[in-house]
Amino acid sequence: NAGVTQTPKFQVLKTGQSMTLQCAQDMNHNSMYWYRQDPGMGLRLIYYSASEGTTDKGEVPNGYNVSRLNKREFSLRLESAAPSQTSVYFCASSDRGETQYFGPGTRLLVL
Amino acid sequence: GESVGLHLPTLSVQEGDNSIINCAYSNSASDYFIWYKQESGKGPQFIIDIRSNMDKRQGQRVTVLLNKTVKHLSLQIAATQPGDSAVYFCAEIYQGAQKLVFGQGTRLTINP
Repeated sequence: NAGVTQTPKFQVLKTGQSMTLQCAQDMNHNSMYWYRQDPGMGLRLIYYSASEGTTDKGEVPNGYNVSRLNKREFSLRLESAAPSQTSVYFCASSDRGETQYFGPGTRLLVL
Repeated sequence: GESVGLHLPTLSVQEGDNSIINCAYSNSASDYFIWYKQESGKGPQFIIDIRSNMDKRQGQRVTVLLNKTVKHLSLQIAATQPGDSAVYFCAEIYQGAQKLVFGQGTRLTINP
């Protein structure tokens, strides 16, 4: 049981490039989330998916898009990366919208 | 807006002592609270949770206390060990919501 997995672990992009962060969970959870964490800061919610087929904006959605591909997978896309998107990105999942279980994170550097 | 915050950004304790990490919340409708531990380079890890109909809950070496009157949450770690060094976050969720609200975190360091 791997829990929540994320790929890649680390990525460097140039301004304007695009990329997709992948997330998968094997706990049969209904809800999935994407957060960003900046140095010395807490977690800020980007987007979430309460159930398969639905997505909703969180606190900081601008510059991102998401796809809930199926119950297991929830991807985050940066269409045109900006230096302000340099951060650590965490995916999480939960069964009933309460306790969330986090992946190991993707460290993104945008030059 | 509603927010979850922490009284102290850093806390240093001697190995073997008890640690107390505090958290204030402002949403009186919050009915579920969670403490997470985040070690360097890793994702947040669930430690313990508590519902608003409880005042105290104990786990292995950890205790969470909830004071709804003053909207205060605390995490007590008994006999602190070097492996307890991490950033600790409190989070709240209110009834019907799908989203957790996280505090900024407290860094706990252990002195040998």
